[in-house]
Amino acid sequence: NAGVTQTPKFQVLKTGQSMTLQCAQDMNHNSMYWYRQDPGMGLRLIYYSASEGTTDKGEVPNGYNVSRLNKREFSLRLESAAPSQTSVYFCASSDRLANYGYTFGSGTRLTVV
Amino acid sequence: QQQVKQSPQSLIVQKGGISIINCAYENTAFDYFPWYQQFPGKGPALLIAIRPDVSEKKEGRFTISFNKSAKQFSLHIMDSQPGDSATYFCAASIGSSNTGKLIFGQGTTLQVKP
Repeated sequence: NAGVTQTPKFQVLKTGQSMTLQCAQDMNHNSMYWYRQDPGMGLRLIYYSASEGTTDKGEVPNGYNVSRLNKREFSLRLESAAPSQTSVYFCASSDRLANYGYTFGSGTRLTVV
Repeated sequence: QQQVKQSPQSLIVQKGGISIINCAYENTAFDYFPWYQQFPGKGPALLIAIRPDVSEKKEGRFTISFNKSAKQFSLHIMDSQPGDSATYFCAASIGSSNTGKLIFGQGTTLQVKP
């Protein structure tokens, strides 16, 4: 099925460990985004890539890095995980402009202990 | 800085009733206002969207009302059904921007009782 695929779906990390969240889309979308979802906070933008070859910080970028590997793939890396990064992470893509609508992946539930 | 404020945080409605969720924004450059629906364990999905050149948009049982002068917009769900139980997010963006960034509200958890 066409859409946005995120891996893994669940992950438990110890404080200080690193990991990479993977995201791939097969809709030929130009723009990709990483959001985190926390209770009462809504969805907050971590990083985004408006087009292949570009990445920019969002609202809450500290502690994260991203790589736009190619047009399909956009990964999010936690270099040294902290308990404050416990969250549900969503990747989304859109056809260049938000008013075409985002397509979201099903999320990665990350717990840092 | 929360640029889009959403209320209420949670809402319980009886089957057949009207659900109303409100959002307010600060940035007058915003010109695209979508609503997303999220079921447990799933990613959000686009429900309905509006631009500020109209005051209302209706799709089936879902209606967006927009008040540009008050910088507010709301989602109305008519004849609410148990299958509408989900979390709803309002959002806003600058449509002419080439970044496509959406700023989301805090979310409203809706429960429709049978």
